[in-house]
Amino acid sequence: GENVEQHPSTLSVQEGDSAVIKCTYSDSASNYFPWYKQELGKRPQLIIDIRSNVGEKKDQRIAVTLNKTAKHFSLHITETQPEDSAVYFCAASQGVADGLTFGKGTHLIIQP
Amino acid sequence: NAGVTQTPKFQVLKTGQSMTLQCAQDMNHNSMYWYRQDPGMGLRLIYYSASEGTTDKGEVPNGYNVSRLNKREFSLRLESAAPSQTSVYFCASSLRTGSRETQYFGPGTRLLVL
Repeated sequence: GENVEQHPSTLSVQEGDSAVIKCTYSDSASNYFPWYKQELGKRPQLIIDIRSNVGEKKDQRIAVTLNKTAKHFSLHITETQPEDSAVYFCAASQGVADGLTFGKGTHLIIQP
Repeated sequence: NAGVTQTPKFQVLKTGQSMTLQCAQDMNHNSMYWYRQDPGMGLRLIYYSASEGTTDKGEVPNGYNVSRLNKREFSLRLESAAPSQTSVYFCASSLRTGSRETQYFGPGTRLLVL
């Protein structure tokens, strides 16, 4: 089955700086790569996703890049703000109807 | 719309007891899922139902059973609870529309097995 590795497990950045979280996947058949944000005690919420026919996608301060050849994808957050502090999860799937395989999460800490 | 709802929010069981976690969605989604979340482990898929009338095992199905009661409801049953099943359980649902396949999560059920 699919295996998703996520790094780093904890990331601390100064407010206003950029943050990058990286994930690798093992199954070349995976074609859907969402990113979720989870605040303490809350449910995961989708923040951005990308399909394998697209190399990059941007939504305001958040962007995701995908390298299918190397089987890795990354989340980029620019101009970080205190409300960006949370745990971020990457995931991969061959199709959402089959369920998602998640990475173990990155705890992002924004230092004031 | 309430989205995805789960009951109960919190439950304490003794080893060997049984219980059913309930999940319902009012978004007319075809697919539904059960995940468990443990510290440092991310979310792991237990079972899923791609459409009404079908269910399939995910990554960690042992010790669980599911029922897709109708298009709205997908329940998860623990027949004989074990301490290793202490976790937060999330239900989710999704609908594919064009190139979008957003998976929406419920608020979770915190389960403690003593």
